[in-house]
Amino acid sequence: DIQMTQSPSTLSASVGDRVTITCRASQTLSSFLAWYQQKPGKAPKLLIYKASTLENGVPSRFSGSESGTEFTLIISSLQPDDFATYHCQQYNTYPYTFGQGTKVDIK
Amino acid sequence: EVQLLESGGGLVKPGGSLRISCAASGFPFSDYAMSWVRQAPGKGLEWVSTMYGRSTTTFYADSVTGRFTISRDNSENTVYLQMNSLRAEDTAVYYCAKDRGGALQHYMDVWGKGTTVTVSS
Repeated sequence: DIQMTQSPSTLSASVGDRVTITCRASQTLSSFLAWYQQKPGKAPKLLIYKASTLENGVPSRFSGSESGTEFTLIISSLQPDDFATYHCQQYNTYPYTFGQGTKVDIK
Repeated sequence: EVQLLESGGGLVKPGGSLRISCAASGFPFSDYAMSWVRQAPGKGLEWVSTMYGRSTTTFYADSVTGRFTISRDNSENTVYLQMNSLRAEDTAVYYCAKDRGGALQHYMDVWGKGTTVTVSS
């Protein structure tokens, strides 16, 4: 199985901050990586797929990139609505696997 | 509007069975693979199972293989998860999700609100 190591597990930030979340895969993913946002008590919401493609309707302050087996989610200027937990997911190979999640909270 | 509505969750004893359902609307259901993803209390997301749209092709997480069965009724736009030999560690919110992507690689673009399954004596 492909292991997804996501860091940090918690991140404290302020409105306006640039936020970076990283996921490292144990094998190559051929860019088949998605990012989801989840708020407490709610279902996950797709933000990015194919490592860097923004889902329709997602604000442009979100972006994704990859370098080898390391994938990065960047929020360029954190907004109040962005305080949430973020999950990465590889969908290159079954079984699909998620990272452990990163909770972004208010500093 | 694409909508997914899960139902059938509840409290079940260890070793028991439960079938949860997900009713879909707003898209050509049989054209899309559907997945189940669960989240144990305070934990991350865990992919459980996927079934392709028009075939019987299915995939399962190792943790549920042999105990859970995914199925779908394309005439009813519904996907099911039959869960047998339930364990305490199966306690979770179970989300239904619509897949999108290529032939073999799918991500989940729409999620239901989830249904809670609690396994306890």
